[in-house]
Amino acid sequence: NAGVTQTPKFQVLKTGQSMTLQCAQDMNHNSMYWYRQDPGMGLRLIYYSASEGTTDKGEVPNGYNVSRLNKREFSLRLESAAPSQTSVYFCASFFHGSSYNSPLHFGNGTRLTVT
Amino acid sequence: AQSVTQPDIHITVSEGASLELRCNYSYGATPYLFWYVQSPGQGLQLLLKYFSGDTLVQGIKGFEAEFKRSQSSFNLRKPSVHWSDAAEYFCAVDRPLKTSYDKVIFGPGTSLSVIP
Repeated sequence: NAGVTQTPKFQVLKTGQSMTLQCAQDMNHNSMYWYRQDPGMGLRLIYYSASEGTTDKGEVPNGYNVSRLNKREFSLRLESAAPSQTSVYFCASFFHGSSYNSPLHFGNGTRLTVT
Repeated sequence: AQSVTQPDIHITVSEGASLELRCNYSYGATPYLFWYVQSPGQGLQLLLKYFSGDTLVQGIKGFEAEFKRSQSSFNLRKPSVHWSDAAEYFCAVDRPLKTSYDKVIFGPGTSLSVIP
């Protein structure tokens, strides 16, 4: 059982380059999140997808786009990378139901450096 | 506004000593409560959760947490810390029976160092 898988693990970009961070979960979860983690800032929500076919902005969406490709996959795209987007990115998923919510399950993160 | 505070940014304890990490929340109702641990270079792993019932919950790796409604707290404890417990610890809250648009709220984290 792989859980939440993120690729790549590490990436270095130059300012202005684009890239897509991939996330896939095999737990049949309906909700998926993208966070970024910066020293002293904790976890900040970038975008989330409550269910397949829906996406919404979180706290810090500027400079990012997302796609909920299917129930399993939720990708994060940086169209024109900036040094301020240097961070560690985490994907998380959970089950949201009418009477129960599971805890979040996290991937191992993508460490992105923008020079 | 809903929020989670972890008053201690960094804590250092000796191996074998007891540990208590503090978490306070501001929420409109009794939330679901969680503690997560993050080892260096890893994602967050769930330590324990409180949904309802017994206010003292047991988790993995010998951790426990106590929910105190009157204090809006959910402090994490361990009677004897091991060097491998050195990590970042996050408290989080979630809304019971939430809509799909309610989001999990995390505290800023407490970094734990363990002295051999």
